[in-house]
Amino acid sequence: NAGVMQNPRHLVRRRGQEARLRCSPMKGHSHVYWYRQLPEEGLKFMVYLQKENIIDESGMPKERFSAEFPKEGPSILRIQQVVRGDSAAYFCASSPGGSAFFGQGTRLTVV
Amino acid sequence: DQQVKQNSPSLSVQEGRISILNCDYTNSMFDYFLWYKKYPAEGPTFLISISSIKDKNEDGRFTVFLNKSAKHLSLHIVPSQPGDSAVYFCAASSHSGGGADGLTFGKGTHLIIQP
Repeated sequence: NAGVMQNPRHLVRRRGQEARLRCSPMKGHSHVYWYRQLPEEGLKFMVYLQKENIIDESGMPKERFSAEFPKEGPSILRIQQVVRGDSAAYFCASSPGGSAFFGQGTRLTVV
Repeated sequence: DQQVKQNSPSLSVQEGRISILNCDYTNSMFDYFLWYKKYPAEGPTFLISISSIKDKNEDGRFTVFLNKSAKHLSLHIVPSQPGDSAVYFCAASSHSGGGADGLTFGKGTHLIIQP
């Protein structure tokens, strides 16, 4: 049973481009979470999804950020028109309910 | 407003001794608490959890204590080993395992085990 898979591990984007981060949860897990870790900070909750539904997006910035977890395929965190402040490590976690298991993260660098 | 606080950014402990990492929370709705360990360039790894119906949970060298009245929990590692050097995150949830919820994390404590 593979763990939570995130790709790419590293992503470099120029300001104004779009960033797409993918997360495949562990087999049998129907809950997916996205977290962001800024330098010198802890992990901040962004969004909680179940298949085809956004359950809680209270941690998502109001603009430019969106997330989806389609019926088939990985969960996608999409950042449009990236800015330097979006540079961070983005972690996905999945859960069957209860304790969450994390992927290795995608480090986004905006240049 | 930080709902989960880890007031020590770093902690240095000698190998073989006990490491005690502390965590305070403010939200009385939290009823499930977890500790994660994180190495550089890797995702957090689940270590141990505790439900609010308990005040202690033990797993090998790791023990978590919960003091609900003080809204305080701590992680004890004994004996500490060099491989324990990592950043430790305390996290809390308001759904006690029966349903999933976004976790609220502290900022982490960097534990350094000295030989």
